[in-house]
Amino acid sequence: NAGVTQTPKFRVLKTGQSMTLLCAQDMNHEYMYWYRQDPGMGLRLIHYSVGEGTTAKGEVPDGYNVSRLKKQNFLLGLESAAPSQTSVYFCASSYRGDGFYFGPGTRLLVL
Amino acid sequence: AQSVTQLDSQVPVFEEAPVELRCNYSSSVSVYLFWYVQYPNQGLQLLLKYLSGSTLVKGINGFEAEFNKSQTSFHLRKPSVHISDTAEYFCAVSVFNTDKLIFGTGTRLQVFP
Repeated sequence: NAGVTQTPKFRVLKTGQSMTLLCAQDMNHEYMYWYRQDPGMGLRLIHYSVGEGTTAKGEVPDGYNVSRLKKQNFLLGLESAAPSQTSVYFCASSYRGDGFYFGPGTRLLVL
Repeated sequence: AQSVTQLDSQVPVFEEAPVELRCNYSSSVSVYLFWYVQYPNQGLQLLLKYLSGSTLVKGINGFEAEFNKSQTSFHLRKPSVHISDTAEYFCAVSVFNTDKLIFGTGTRLQVFP
């Protein structure tokens, strides 16, 4: 039982490049989330999904897109990376909002 | 909308001293409350959570928190800290029967020998 896994662990991008972060969970959770963590700002919700095929915007959705084609996977895309998107990205999953499980994080540096 | 305020960005304390990390929340409806810990360069680990029932919640590593509905607080306490408790601590709130977890900005606990 791996829990929540994230791929990749680290990535360096140049401004304007694109990339996709993959989150996978094996707990059959309905809800999945993408957060970003920046110093002094805690974790801020980017996008989330309450089920396969559904997505919704969080607090800071601009510059990101997401897709949930399979229940166990939640993808976060950056179409044109900007230095302001340098951050640590965490994925999480939840059964019904009463217990959240986090992945180990992806460190992204945009030059 | 819900929000979480962690009143102290940094808390320095000596080893074996007691510590309290403060958290207040704002919500017009019932909530679930959580404390997470993040050790340097690691992910988030759940310390404890309040869903319902007893307002005093015990968690891992000797931490406990008390839910106070009238003061809308959920302060985290430990009677005697260790060097290994040095980490960042996040308070978070989830509204009952909804789907989002909202975090505070975090409190960095630094334990000195």
